[in-house]
Amino acid sequence: NAGVTQTPKFRVLKTGQSMTLLCAQDMNHEYMYWYRQDPGMGLRLIHYSVGEGTTAKGEVPDGYNVSRLKKQNFLLGLESAAPSQTSVYFCASSRRGWGNQPQHFGDGTRLSIL
Amino acid sequence: TQLLEQSPQFLSIQEGENLTVYCNSSSVFSSLQWYRQEPGEGPVLLVTVVTGGEVKKLKRLTFQFGDARKDSSLHITAAQPGDTGLYLCAGASGDNYGQNFVFGPGTRLSVLP
Repeated sequence: NAGVTQTPKFRVLKTGQSMTLLCAQDMNHEYMYWYRQDPGMGLRLIHYSVGEGTTAKGEVPDGYNVSRLKKQNFLLGLESAAPSQTSVYFCASSRRGWGNQPQHFGDGTRLSIL
Repeated sequence: TQLLEQSPQFLSIQEGENLTVYCNSSSVFSSLQWYRQEPGEGPVLLVTVVTGGEVKKLKRLTFQFGDARKDSSLHITAAQPGDTGLYLCAGASGDNYGQNFVFGPGTRLSVLP
């Protein structure tokens, strides 16, 4: 079982460039999330979705946009990359809302902004 | 903003030793989860606790949720090198729509053979 798949795994961008990170899940989960992980700060929620066609802001949404056109896919976009967005990005999904539900994570995208 | 603190931040021990790591907050959580993350991978759920005072065991790992549901601990008995990793706690409160869910910064555990 693939679970949650993130592409690409690594990327280096120059300041001001744009890119899209793709997350795909094959578990028919309703909820999907994008986090960033920085040293000493744990995982911080960027945006999330409670179902196809829905998105909502998390703790650190500035500089990012998301879309969930299909239930299995959740895209994270950086319109104009900044060095502060250098991080490891994780996508996760869960059957229903978090708390009592396990979140299933991908293996991350390591993004460097020069 | 709800915050979760974890201690210690780093822990290096010898194989066979026992250890306890802590997850603390001033906020009340309806549930708390523990995840383990290995290098180059995403976190993997170990356990979810939902009732104050609840104790759950997973082989050599014992998880406890505080009576007031503000804190939790993870105790590992006879640690093994395979226990090495980043241990994250995550707390949920309020409704299911994401406004009140937070991860702690993690405890990085190294078990030396």
